Amino acid sequence: QKEVEQNSGPLSVPEGAIASLNCTYSDRGSQSFFWYRQYSGKSPELIMFIYSNGDKEDGRFTAQLNKASQYVSLLIRDSQPSDSATYLCAVRSAGGTSYGKLTFGQGTILTVHP
Amino acid sequence: DVKVTQSSRYLVKRTGEKVFLECVQDMDHENMFWYRQDPGLGLRLIYFSYDVKMKEKGDIPEGYSVSREKKERFSLILESASTNQTSMYLCASSQPGTTVLKQYFGPGTRLTVT
Repeated sequence: QKEVEQNSGPLSVPEGAIASLNCTYSDRGSQSFFWYRQYSGKSPELIMFIYSNGDKEDGRFTAQLNKASQYVSLLIRDSQPSDSATYLCAVRSAGGTSYGKLTFGQGTILTVHP
Repeated sequence: DVKVTQSSRYLVKRTGEKVFLECVQDMDHENMFWYRQDPGLGLRLIYFSYDVKMKEKGDIPEGYSVSREKKERFSLILESASTNQTSMYLCASSQPGTTVLKQYFGPGTRLTVT
């Protein structure tokens, strides 16, 4: 089993719909959870992070964390064509020597069509 | 503005050549990372460094080495390039002690080994 696994894509949604991206992780001691967005030919950029169980909202983006079930999700409301990208889930494990080391999922390609 | 730069965007090398990939950050970050990104596999950590001359193996260090002689520069070395090292290589940096431990990525180097 992969340490961090994302729902298989690609995911295609119509403009204005809600896009739902899911991620599960195997290390129960994981502390921090991140969503990166990567446009084609570009490098990843951080769009959301979450530490505590529950929801965290930032504009059209909502990150949801459930540590008991070991999953984290990203909801994008009112999806726009400019949201079309690969979304990477990343997890930071526990441990004092992690030095901010992240483990990434394989990514989910999202396409928002007009 | 935060900046991570990589020496080349595209590189073509022959099997058996020694290859150097350079990464420079101007944020005075202590942590630096080298990843490779392959379709369907996400980002996989090769090596990371948490201080000058300090390094730790990531998840896939075989066939690679690194050097960090100065804080701002982190080099990835392929001692004898092989075709299975054809990939996109991404460098990142982050600052420990911050809440988010956000990783800033460089533009990437697409390496082709023939």
